[in-house]
Amino acid sequence: DADVTQTPRNRITKTGKRIMLECSQTKGHDRMYWYRQDPGLGLRLIYYSFDVKDINKGEISDGYSVSRQAQAKFSLSLESAIPNQTALYFCATSAYSNTGELFFGEGSRLTVL
Amino acid sequence: GQQVMQIPQYQHVQEGEDFTTYCNSSTTLSNIQWYKQRPGGHPVFLIQLVKSGEVKKQKRLTFQFGEAKKNSSLHITATQTTDVGTYFCARGSGNTGKLIFGQGTTLQVKP
Repeated sequence: DADVTQTPRNRITKTGKRIMLECSQTKGHDRMYWYRQDPGLGLRLIYYSFDVKDINKGEISDGYSVSRQAQAKFSLSLESAIPNQTALYFCATSAYSNTGELFFGEGSRLTVL
Repeated sequence: GQQVMQIPQYQHVQEGEDFTTYCNSSTTLSNIQWYKQRPGGHPVFLIQLVKSGEVKKQKRLTFQFGEAKKNSSLHITATQTTDVGTYFCARGSGNTGKLIFGQGTTLQVKP
């Protein structure tokens, strides 16, 4: 089983709908992240969390919200989806260490019509 | 700002040719990480560089960190079709624990 699991893997929705992407991890890491990937733009940080009580905005947080329900769970919500939120979304985790290596989930592809 | 610029955006090579991607910053980097994303896959960590002028090798891959810690490169010797994918550099953002990624270089290898 994957250490970082994202659900759903693919989702098609309509403009204005509320969408939640979920991420769970079995790595025991405190730090969790949500990134968005668009062609030619790389990976852009949406939100990140260093523990259950810590939530921080990233580069592109507008239109998104997050919830850290437990150490192992970090969900991303789009309150009212719009077409330019069509993208591939990645959850990632890291341990508090010198390396700071990120471990990514397999991604959630979201299409907003 | 805090962004890192990666060039080129795309590279097509014949199998056996060498490949290099560059990562540049206008500000000094505390560290730089490199990731590889295979087509349809997720980014996977390759290496982290921390020291000025550092050079690390992984088989056919050579990673360098510039003396001024403002640039880094990834060089692949004698590419193989298994090297196909997008290579990202990522900079640490001070002590925040954030990683800011470059735009990536997508490598295509013709057999």
